[in-house]
Amino acid sequence: EAQVTQNPRYLITVTGKKLTVTCSQNMNHEYMSWYRQDPGLGLRQIYYSMNVEVTDKGDVPEGYKVSRKEKRNFPLILESPSPNQTSLYFCASSLVSSSYNEQFFGPGTRLTVL
Amino acid sequence: AQKITQTQPGMFVQEKEAVTLDCTYDTSDPSYGLFWYKQPSSGEMIFLIYQGSYDQQNATEGRYSLNFQKARKSANLVISASQLGDSAMYFCAMREGTGGFKTIFGAGTRLFVKA
Repeated sequence: EAQVTQNPRYLITVTGKKLTVTCSQNMNHEYMSWYRQDPGLGLRQIYYSMNVEVTDKGDVPEGYKVSRKEKRNFPLILESPSPNQTSLYFCASSLVSSSYNEQFFGPGTRLTVL
Repeated sequence: AQKITQTQPGMFVQEKEAVTLDCTYDTSDPSYGLFWYKQPSSGEMIFLIYQGSYDQQNATEGRYSLNFQKARKSANLVISASQLGDSAMYFCAMREGTGGFKTIFGAGTRLFVKA
């Protein structure tokens, strides 16, 4: 089944404790992206990647790191989480043949930073 | 700069009636794609429909159609014959065609379908 998977689905942590949210897709998509969703703000792009070893900042990259060492994986790293990073996080992937390619979303990761 | 505006935080519609969800956008890129996603209460993001900036015809997908008015920079979603299962959050999104496919979303419209 074609899908984007994220782990963990739920995470409660404390300020300053490094964490990684994994994202993997099995559709051979070049493009992968991370978003955070907050009430009243919709989804905001954190980072995206057009291909292996190519990453770019979205609108809210501060406090986050990403890496794209393999085509299928795009982990999101929070080196020192803070309470304002409490949010619902989505990973997405798509082809890059055109800007019209739909993005396929993972199920989301709900993160709480105490 | 890219911008997406959804001016309706919440809307009600009677079952079986049509409803229009508004979306306006701003971009200087001549090549872009416009998307609508549905997010039910379970939380997943479901792709509904897209419109390309060079497409001449308005996109349709089953009960969903996109009213694309390029000069006015609007891309409204029309849902015909609303069903109770259409109650959800709806997001408009834009992806520019040059410069790396950066994507922005609107704040969303919550749709309530009444029986």
